[in-house]
Amino acid sequence: GIQVEQSPPDLILQEGANSTLRCNFSDSVNNLQWFHQNPWGQLINLFYIPSGTKQNGRLSATTVATERYSLLYISSSQTTDSGVYFCAVEATGTASKLTFGTGTRLQVTL
Amino acid sequence: ETGVTQSPTHLIKTRGQQVTLRCSSQSGHNTVSWYQQALGQGPQFIFQYYREEENGRGNFPPRFSGLQFPNYSSELNVNALELDDSALYLCASSLGGLWGTEAFFGQGTRLTVV
Repeated sequence: GIQVEQSPPDLILQEGANSTLRCNFSDSVNNLQWFHQNPWGQLINLFYIPSGTKQNGRLSATTVATERYSLLYISSSQTTDSGVYFCAVEATGTASKLTFGTGTRLQVTL
Repeated sequence: ETGVTQSPTHLIKTRGQQVTLRCSSQSGHNTVSWYQQALGQGPQFIFQYYREEENGRGNFPPRFSGLQFPNYSSELNVNALELDDSALYLCASSLGGLWGTEAFFGQGTRLTVV
């Protein structure tokens, strides 16, 4: 099956800093989503981005499907950005099954 | 528009017992997928239901089963609970029938097996 790798596994930032999270996947995909998991376990949708670039406030994402990677940019980080960020992909022909990466755990400090 | 809701939020069961978890899909969505998330890991796909039929299954034993109802809500049943079944169970809804549609998750049910 498709493999999804995220880097870095852990990241500690000072408030106000910028960061880039990476997601590599091993096969072609129909769907790629970025999620933020809050401390209570809820997965919050950040981006639905099978290709191209999107921006939402301080967050933006880029997926280069032909090169099988996606990047999530967080600018001017805030303590509320802390948590685990997951990339999830739906491989071509897998009927809406999402395969998740292992996540990037982000801690933003004052 | 209502979001995805799951019940209960927390549950403690004894090894060998059976459990039923419930999920109401987002308004307008006809597909529900279930995921298991062990501590410190990413969610793992259990199975998916589309228009009341199972439509894909991950690497989980048959004691994990499910249902989808005509209103597209869904249940996940786990028989003969084992300690390793302790996890966060997440339900996602999407507009199925088309590949590549955005999935939205509920808040999860945290199951502890003792």
